[in-house]
Amino acid sequence: AAGVIQSPRHLIKEKRETATLKCYPIPRHDTVYWYQQGPGQDPQFLISFYEKMQSDKGSIPDRFSAQQFSDYHSELNMSSLELGDSALYFCASSRYSGRAGNEQFFGPGTRLTVL
Amino acid sequence: KNEVEQSPQNLTAQEGEFITINCSYSVGISALHWLQQHPGGGIVSLFMLSSGKKKHGRLIATINIQEKHSSLHITASHPRDSAVYICAVRGNTDKLIFGTGTRLQVFP
Repeated sequence: AAGVIQSPRHLIKEKRETATLKCYPIPRHDTVYWYQQGPGQDPQFLISFYEKMQSDKGSIPDRFSAQQFSDYHSELNMSSLELGDSALYFCASSRYSGRAGNEQFFGPGTRLTVL
Repeated sequence: KNEVEQSPQNLTAQEGEFITINCSYSVGISALHWLQQHPGGGIVSLFMLSSGKKKHGRLIATINIQEKHSSLHITASHPRDSAVYICAVRGNTDKLIFGTGTRLQVFP
């Protein structure tokens, strides 16, 4: 079965550069979530989108922005990168079912290293 | 205090042992997830629970909503079960709040 696809899988950037991470949800999934997991830390929720509209926002820095496109894929744009942005960035997708608790399926993550 | 607490933080076991990982949470939830994260970093969803008990192969997950507690059990553990197991809860919104994870190592 198709899974969540993230690209790139690994990314190395210099401080103050920009980075764009992409997430392709499972077909027919309409909701995308972004999580950040720093070294040795729990994943933290950044932002989510449902039907191309932002549905929830967590601890996402102002230097980051994201959107969901008409084909439901999502991009996380990160500017003025800092050393502390080095982390594993997960995308998850789900399909809204009208009930609470839609199961989220995770992508393999993008490992971002800022030098 | 974290909203989602797991115990133990680290667990070692011999192959074949029965393993239990516990998760307690302090917020109202609509669902609880058990996730598995391997050393490469990828996260796999094992279970999503809102009540009762679920079983998949050698894995069993239970939840007690009144006590705000869930357990993940692994029967007949195997070295390939070695991973970090994460409990994550969903409140009124869809975002997940993650526990601190339990690092499991199963030795042959």
